[in-house]
Amino acid sequence: GAVVSQHPSWVICKSGTSVKIECRSLDFQATTMFWYRQFPKQSLMLMATSNEGSKATYEQGVEKDKFLINHASLTLSTLTVTSAHPEDSSFYICSARGGEGETQYFGPGTRLLVL
Amino acid sequence: RKEVEQDPGPFNVPEGATVAFNCTYSNSASQSFFWYRQDCRKEPKLLMSVYSSGNEDGRFTAQLNRASQYISLLIRDSKLSDSATYLCVGYFGNEKLTFGTGTRLTIIP
Repeated sequence: GAVVSQHPSWVICKSGTSVKIECRSLDFQATTMFWYRQFPKQSLMLMATSNEGSKATYEQGVEKDKFLINHASLTLSTLTVTSAHPEDSSFYICSARGGEGETQYFGPGTRLLVL
Repeated sequence: RKEVEQDPGPFNVPEGATVAFNCTYSNSASQSFFWYRQDCRKEPKLLMSVYSSGNEDGRFTAQLNRASQYISLLIRDSKLSDSATYLCVGYFGNEKLTFGTGTRLTIIP
């Protein structure tokens, strides 16, 4: 299957700092990328959908000014958690979709711990 | 009501046994369903798509019942490596996948 990478895989940071997470599709062009968040023992919750070259569409309850998403190319999307707080500690997972159809390929996830 | 609901388990099943989980959905305008598998601290991985006619992949059988709005997954001859969380996922035609909370399965030696 298609390969999606995320970087970094782990982040530990102090409260108030900003953290950038990269999501790359390695062997296909991703017209759409999705950002999810998963808290312990809970399901994946979609945060936002981004299409290359346009603004991201955020789900209800997700602050767009706090979670900045950029999808500047067909192989790269970034999520920046601005002024991170301990409650932002979570498992952030991106997925990418190459074209038609519903198949999404997931990245390995980024664990964020805000102290 | 959640769009996709699963029994969170845990299901503790002896090796070699058959185990089945169901998942119900509330949005009748569903288009497709999938079962994903998620290992601890890892990303979800597609296990199989679910078709109304039922589909089988080795020891795994998935079924979709649109009239009753549920999806099932059957695992035969369970292996230790089947221990994971199984996520029921729906695609409702709005570009988004909707995930259930997952059913945790542990296969006991």
